[in-house]
Amino acid sequence: AQSVTQLGSHVSVSEGALVLLRCNYSSSVPPYLFWYVQYPNQGLQLLLKYTTGATLVKGINGFEAEFKKSETSFHLTKPSAHMSDAAEYFCAVSETGGGNKLTFGTGTQLKVEL
Amino acid sequence: DTAVSQTPKYLVTQMGNDKSIKCEQNLGHDTMYWYKQDSKKFLKIMFSYNNKELIINETVPNRFSPKSPDKAHLNLHINSLELGDSAVYFCASSQDILADQETQYFGPGTRLLVL
Repeated sequence: AQSVTQLGSHVSVSEGALVLLRCNYSSSVPPYLFWYVQYPNQGLQLLLKYTTGATLVKGINGFEAEFKKSETSFHLTKPSAHMSDAAEYFCAVSETGGGNKLTFGTGTQLKVEL
Repeated sequence: DTAVSQTPKYLVTQMGNDKSIKCEQNLGHDTMYWYKQDSKKFLKIMFSYNNKELIINETVPNRFSPKSPDKAHLNLHINSLELGDSAVYFCASSQDILADQETQYFGPGTRLLVL
């Protein structure tokens, strides 16, 4: 069974600082990996995803993530945080043959301070 | 145009009542899903439908019954509502359930409060 662990339920950074949100997964087969963002009182929006090929994936709003198979990780980064990045971030995984079923991590609330 | 829409946005009701939540997508997708987000923001899949056929049913109480009249709509009916059903329910859609890397597009959510 697949699972996703997001270290740190709350992360606080200063505006302009590096954002690093951690995600580790466990899966019996190479998974597909996703990061979604949820702004207050809204639905989820895809930031980026890894399927195959290049392990460094670029997404919207300046975010990127790197798939590291040896570390079973898919950490999300952004070089310079903006106030508008404050939101809840979810890492998710789906497995081949799983019917596109997403298994989510518990989420990380990102706070950006002046 | 809203891609995935849900009605109502808010739903407050008493224990024991029956209620429905509607979802519509105008993306031309074949697959639709229901997710439940609890008070700790944990998201878990409940159901998925592909072209009106049930594909995933994740150990959800049978008080919950999804219905898909056509592939653009997936409604969720809940019987005998319980306090623990209070949550945010998200509908989502994707192009093809057979492709496990398909992006899912989420609706804005329905906030259900059972008193």
